[in-house]
Amino acid sequence: GAVVSQHPSRVICKSGTSVKIECRSLDFQATTMFWYRQFPKQSLMLMATSNEGSKATYEQGVEKDKFLINHASLTLSTLTVTSAHPEDSSFYICSASRPGFSNQPQHFGDGTRLSIL
Amino acid sequence: SQKIEQNSEALNIQEGKTATLTCNYTNYSPAYLQWYRQDPGRGPVFLLLIRENEKEKRKERLKVTFDTTLKQSLFHITASQPADSATYLCALDPSYNQGGKLIFGQGTELSVKP
Repeated sequence: GAVVSQHPSRVICKSGTSVKIECRSLDFQATTMFWYRQFPKQSLMLMATSNEGSKATYEQGVEKDKFLINHASLTLSTLTVTSAHPEDSSFYICSASRPGFSNQPQHFGDGTRLSIL
Repeated sequence: SQKIEQNSEALNIQEGKTATLTCNYTNYSPAYLQWYRQDPGRGPVFLLLIRENEKEKRKERLKVTFDTTLKQSLFHITASQPADSATYLCALDPSYNQGGKLIFGQGTELSVKP
């Protein structure tokens, strides 16, 4: 079964709305989670690393004030797209790996399809 | 610049044949490389991980090779089935075994015809 759960799976909202996406690790504690964005027919682009109990690390070109990340517990990270606009419409996916060696495979959520009208 | 590139064209093969997908990288020295499968509208699913000191890794009908001299990984699906149709992504950790974040290739869409 799924080890990483993402919610909601789909969001349609008006421009200017803020949208929160949740990512939960279901059967392990994840001190680190990752957030990706994927446009149609393109690959996953890493947006940020979510660190439990500390600030997220953002990739170059990703606005930290636009994409707020909170990792308040060992099983939950949230991504909030603030004041979303049509260009933010995309497929957002989170991932986590089991504790242990850093070369563990990532377990991905099933993504959130965000559509901004 | 750093790049990960996969077969840009979609791959169409007949059921029962072997599918071979290519992943080339430039200006990275990864400790390992991973392959994932992604179905439309879903998150990627992990398939195989191969380390830099491993030449080949197998799992059922899947085989991955890793050539650090050529900076290339090949992903093979033998006795392919229509259910193998999906997009396959290669990925590596750019920071050499630190942190676990992954950089992905653009993926190769595989279609297996009955």
